Amino acid sequence: EIVLTQSPGTLSLSPGERATLSCRASQTVRNNYLAWYQQKPGQAPRLLISGASSRATGIPDRFSGSGSGTDFTLTISRLEPEDFAVYYCQQYATSPWTFGQGTKVEIK
Amino acid sequence: QVQLQESGPRLVKPSETLSLTCSVSGYSISSGYYWGWIRQSPGKGLEWIGTVSHSGSTFYSPSLKSRVTISVDMSKNRFSLNLSSVTAADTAVYYCARDFFGSQPFDYWGQGTLVTVSS
Repeated sequence: EIVLTQSPGTLSLSPGERATLSCRASQTVRNNYLAWYQQKPGQAPRLLISGASSRATGIPDRFSGSGSGTDFTLTISRLEPEDFAVYYCQQYATSPWTFGQGTKVEIK
Repeated sequence: QVQLQESGPRLVKPSETLSLTCSVSGYSISSGYYWGWIRQSPGKGLEWIGTVSHSGSTFYSPSLKSRVTISVDMSKNRFSLNLSSVTAADTAVYYCARDFFGSQPFDYWGQGTLVTVSS
């Protein structure tokens, strides 16, 4: 199965700053079928990005995804207070679908 | 708007079978798509359990395949998860979600339900 490794584990930033989250796959993610989710306490994950770079419906343009092959990045250009949460990557190219262990973006 | 809602016992005894149902509203399961189960535990993070198609074809995670059964009930517009021979390691929040099985990620999720395995 494809193992996804996210870094860093925790990112301490202030509102208005830029956040850069990494997701590295143990093997090539075919078709760049890589998604990013945001999860807040007590809530289900919320889809942000699919296909490595396509924003889901209603997602603000401060969220952007990039990358291909085995290295992917989620960037939040200017952190808003509601963006402090845990972010997960997921590959849906090769069964079994797998998730990264998450990056927590916390207020500095 | 597609909505999913998990239901079922919150406490299951070790060695017994965990059974959950996901009721779907705002979309008819018989019209298509796939429907999946994912769980989240502190020790293992998010883990895909398996997926069922609208026609009843099933796809399971190899790590759970021997204990999992997922089925669909189109007459009630819902799908179900059975996980047998549970242990404390199966304690988790269980989510149902709409799946595309390989072309898109999970887009709509239920709110999740915590199931505890304990005697």
